Amino acid sequence: DGGITQSPKYLFRKEGQNVTLSCEQNLNHDAMYWYRQDPGQGLRLIYYSQIVNDFQKGDIAEGYSVSREKKESFPLTVTSAQKNPTAFYLCASSIANPWGLNSPLHFGNGTRLTVT
Amino acid sequence: DQQVKQNSPSLSVQEGRISILNCDYTNSMFDYFLWYKKYPAEGPTFLISISSIKDKNEDGRFTVFLNKSAKHLSLHIVPSQPGDSAVYFCAASGNTNAGKSTFGDGTTLTVKP
Repeated sequence: DGGITQSPKYLFRKEGQNVTLSCEQNLNHDAMYWYRQDPGQGLRLIYYSQIVNDFQKGDIAEGYSVSREKKESFPLTVTSAQKNPTAFYLCASSIANPWGLNSPLHFGNGTRLTVT
Repeated sequence: DQQVKQNSPSLSVQEGRISILNCDYTNSMFDYFLWYKKYPAEGPTFLISISSIKDKNEDGRFTVFLNKSAKHLSLHIVPSQPGDSAVYFCAASGNTNAGKSTFGDGTTLTVKP
């Protein structure tokens, strides 16, 4: 059964520590994304990647880093430079259409990160 | 400046009645619009979309209407069911991969039995 797996579901860290959130997909999608959701707000784009070994900053990339070494995997590192890291993090994937046509996102079930 | 706005944080309707969720956008370059549904502690799931060349798209109980001149879209759910209770996000993008969609803040729909 194809889908996106995010682990762990809940993550707790001390302030000043870097933490890496895992995201794996078996949908054979080229494009992958990381969003952040804060209470009562919509989803904001952190980073996205449309092809292996390439990624671009989204609207709120400061304090985050990513890598895309494999098509199936797009891990997100929340660094100590991120001022408000406590949030719900969502990974997504989609078909990357070379003609720029739109396709919906498939989301994982998220990781709730709490930094104290 | 928020480019996609869902002005109603919550909506409550009776089972069997119509639910109407609204969304406004400001960027005239947006030409593809999507609705996602989200249950607590889960990721959003895609519900329905509409391209700017259309003014209506229907899928079962769900219909999305687009009014380009007013920069307004709405999602109609008929008839509403208790299982429809969730947060609904409107999203918009501009002729590129929908992954770079801009999302509204969501509307929490409660359908009462």
